[in-house]
Amino acid sequence: EPEVTQTPSHQVTQMGQEVILRCVPISNHLYFYWYRQILGQKVEFLVSFYNNEISEKSEIFDDQFSVERPDGSNFTLKIRSTKLEDSAMYFCASSDGGGSGNIQYFGAGTRLSVL
Amino acid sequence: SQQGEEDPQALSIQEGENATMNCSYKTSINNLQWYRQNSGRGLVHLILIRSNEREKHSGRLRVTLDTSKKSSSLLITASRAADTASYFCATVGGGADGLTFGKGTHLIIQP
Repeated sequence: EPEVTQTPSHQVTQMGQEVILRCVPISNHLYFYWYRQILGQKVEFLVSFYNNEISEKSEIFDDQFSVERPDGSNFTLKIRSTKLEDSAMYFCASSDGGGSGNIQYFGAGTRLSVL
Repeated sequence: SQQGEEDPQALSIQEGENATMNCSYKTSINNLQWYRQNSGRGLVHLILIRSNEREKHSGRLRVTLDTSKKSSSLLITASRAADTASYFCATVGGGADGLTFGKGTHLIIQP
C-alpha cells in the first residue's frame, strides 16, 4: 500500500541552526501538507502546497519556515533558524483532493529536538 | 473552546465493550474526519462524514454528525486491545485546505 515517508525519524539540532525535514508523498497525490504536534498538544496545521505554490498557511508558518518541492518526488520543510519552541513532531501529509473529500495520508513524522 | 474539541479526554474500558467519543466544533464545515494515532506514530485516517450526511458506518466504526449542534460522535463497537490509541476529530471547511484537529481522546482498552 502506498505511504508517505519522512526522513529523518529524529533530528537533533542546536538553536539557531537550519534544518530541512524531508517527505516523499504518495506518488499520484497533488496536495501536500505539513503539520506539527508539540508534545502533549494537538496537531496543528502549518502549510498546504499545490501546483508548486503555497495554497494556505497558518499563523505558525512565519518567515522562518519555507517549503519546497525540489523534484518530482520530494517535499521539504525548512526551518531557517531554529528556536527551542520549534521542538515538536512534524508530520507531512498528502492528498489527491477532489472526490476523496480531502482525506490526508500522514507520514510517521520527524521528531525535531532543538537544544 | 477551540475548533474540534473531543471529550472525554481519556477513556478506559474493558475489551469487548463499546467506546464512544464526542467532538464539537465551532465553524461551518465541508466534512469531518476521524483519525487514530498510536503512541509516537503518525495519524491514520479512519472515516470521513460529509456535512450533508448524518451517519456513516465502516466496519466496527459508526460516526454521527449533527450540524445543528456542531457535534460528532465516534462509536467503536466490540473494542479490542489494538484499538488503544488517541482518536482525533478533524474538520475541513470554508475553502480551507488544512485540517483543524481537536485535542483528542486517549482510549485505553483493558484486556
